[in-house]
Order: sequence, then structure tokens, then C-alpha cells
Amino acid sequence: ELKVEQNPLFLSMQEGKNYTIYCNYSTTSDRLYWYRQDPGKSLESLFVLLSNGAVKQEGRLMASLDTKARLSTLHITAAVHDLSATYFCAGRRDDNNNDMRFGAGTRLTVKP
Amino acid sequence: NAGVTQTPKFQVLKTGQSMTLQCAQDMNHEYMSWYRQDPGMGLRLIHYSVGAGITDQGEVPNGYNVSRSTTEDFPLRLLSAAPSQTSVYFCASSHPLGEPSYEQYFGPGTRLTVT
Repeated sequence: ELKVEQNPLFLSMQEGKNYTIYCNYSTTSDRLYWYRQDPGKSLESLFVLLSNGAVKQEGRLMASLDTKARLSTLHITAAVHDLSATYFCAGRRDDNNNDMRFGAGTRLTVKP
Repeated sequence: NAGVTQTPKFQVLKTGQSMTLQCAQDMNHEYMSWYRQDPGMGLRLIHYSVGAGITDQGEVPNGYNVSRSTTEDFPLRLLSAAPSQTSVYFCASSHPLGEPSYEQYFGPGTRLTVT
């Protein structure tokens, strides 16, 4: 069955701390996507990971992909309040299909 | 570029009514899709299209119809609205199948309530 599972679903952390969000997937395609959604807003693309060992960084966020473990991680370094949002990972069913499956999302709250 | 646009932003329907949610993009993307987002859940794919005249079902297609007569437009039709279709609907588009990045661009969403 095609599944994309994230954990934790809720994350409350203090400013300045580090944490990691995990995304396990069972889709055939090894391309993995991360999105951010602010409350009441649309989704914004953060990272596209295309191959095993891929690592991408943008500011305090770093995403990586381990295709053998079928696992992607989103690491937050020295969190700030502006990172408070819901983060989704998503995978394609396979490389020849545009059927995308999303995780349930991780709602991140960064407190001062 | 306006990107991906959706209308209306909000809609209230009575059970049994029909309506069409509009989606348009001006980026010449071949791939377009419709998702629904329910509280506490991620997005679920309803229907998608890989080009004009070609559509396919996603994860939750029942109760919805789509057609794709032009590259720019991809309307979603609710045939007979039910309370279970109360949700936020997002349209998205992306570069053609085969593009390595396949980055999706999302519209602002339509919040639909069925009473």
C-alpha cells in the first residue's frame, strides 16, 4: 500500500533548539518532497530530493533522503518563531505517475 | 505571472447542489491536479491531468468529475454535494512528466462548506 508517514505530528520546541522531523514512505518512486503551510494559507515548496543521499539546506532547515531506509528527514537548527508552521512530506507513487501521496503533516510551534 | 489561481475562495452549498471549482495556471504546465485537505490530515489527491484531454483518478475521486479542454484550465465539478465534501480544495500544477524536479505550485485554495 502506498503510504507516507510523518512523525511527530505535533512538535513544540523552544527557540534556539534543534529537532528532526521524520518521513517514512512506501511509494515506489524515490523522489521525496517537503512543503510548508502557514495557517489558512496554501502550500509552499521547500525541498525536492531526487536521489539517495541527497541533502538540501535552506537557512535553518536541512532535508535529507535515504532511499534504502525509505526515510527522509527535515532537520531544524536553532529554531526561531518564524519557522512555526505545518510541514508536509510527499512522495510520488512511482516515477511514471504523478499520483502524489502526502504525509499527515507535522505542526511545529516554536516558543520564545 | 499570476501562477495558479482558484475561484471562488469560499463557497457554501446545500446538500445535493452541484457546482464547479475553477482552476487556472499561466505557466504552461502540462500537469495539473486537485487535492482536498481535511483537518489534521495531509492532502489527498482527487483527480489529475497530464495534459489537455487526459485525466485520471487519484486517491479519493468519488463524487467529483474533471475535464481538461485546455492546458490552462482544470475545473473540478461536484455533482451532488454531500457534507462529507466539506473541505479545503487545492489545485496544483507542475512541469511535464519527466522533468526531474517535478516541483508543484499550489493555488490559494477554496474553502467549501456543505450543509
